[in-house]
Amino acid sequence: AQTVTQSQPEMSVQEAETVTLSCTYDTSESDYYLFWYKQPPSRQMILVIRQEAYKQQNATENRFSVNFQKAAKSFSLKISDSQLGDAAMYFCAYRSVKGAQKLVFGQGTRLTINP
Amino acid sequence: DAGVTQSPTHLIKTRGQQVTLRCSPKSGHDTVSWYQQALGQGPQFIFQYYEEEERQRGNFPDRFSGHQFPNYSSELNVNALLLGDSALYLCASSLGQLSGELFFGEGSRLTVL
Repeated sequence: AQTVTQSQPEMSVQEAETVTLSCTYDTSESDYYLFWYKQPPSRQMILVIRQEAYKQQNATENRFSVNFQKAAKSFSLKISDSQLGDAAMYFCAYRSVKGAQKLVFGQGTRLTINP
Repeated sequence: DAGVTQSPTHLIKTRGQQVTLRCSPKSGHDTVSWYQQALGQGPQFIFQYYEEEERQRGNFPDRFSGHQFPNYSSELNVNALLLGDSALYLCASSLGQLSGELFFGEGSRLTVL
């Protein structure tokens, strides 16, 4: 079974600075998807960024980028120019390409932005 | 364009009772998945419904059951509630069973006393 581990329960960063959230995963599959989701106090999970395992190029979405290291099974999220609205719980998630769309989530990292 | 809507937003039940949670998928979506998120934890997959059938199930007991209606909306039923069933229940919808981005609702917060 696949597992996802986020070793940082809490992180904080100064506004406008850069922060990196860590995620490692375990799988025997060679093809899969990885995601970072944001969950603000409104509770709704919002997709931040997605990475296909077969792609060597790291995904980027505006101020958000990932460092995908397939051999190390590592998938970190970098947030540049942090903004107050980035404060939330961040979850790393894994999904197999086979079968239904079951997401396996990590425990989450609570990100605080200091003004 | 309405997103994923869930009801009720909050509810309180006592041990042994039964609860039904409801989900309307995003317009145009035909697949619904349910997740349980205990306090301070990441969500855990309960099951997925597509074409009115349960397609995949996570590690949850038979007390958890569901249904999908012809209009693609879905219900999650939990029987014989336990204290440990207290959690945020998230519904997610997508277009297609195998691919497509998941869109989440804001969840139903269940408290079991």
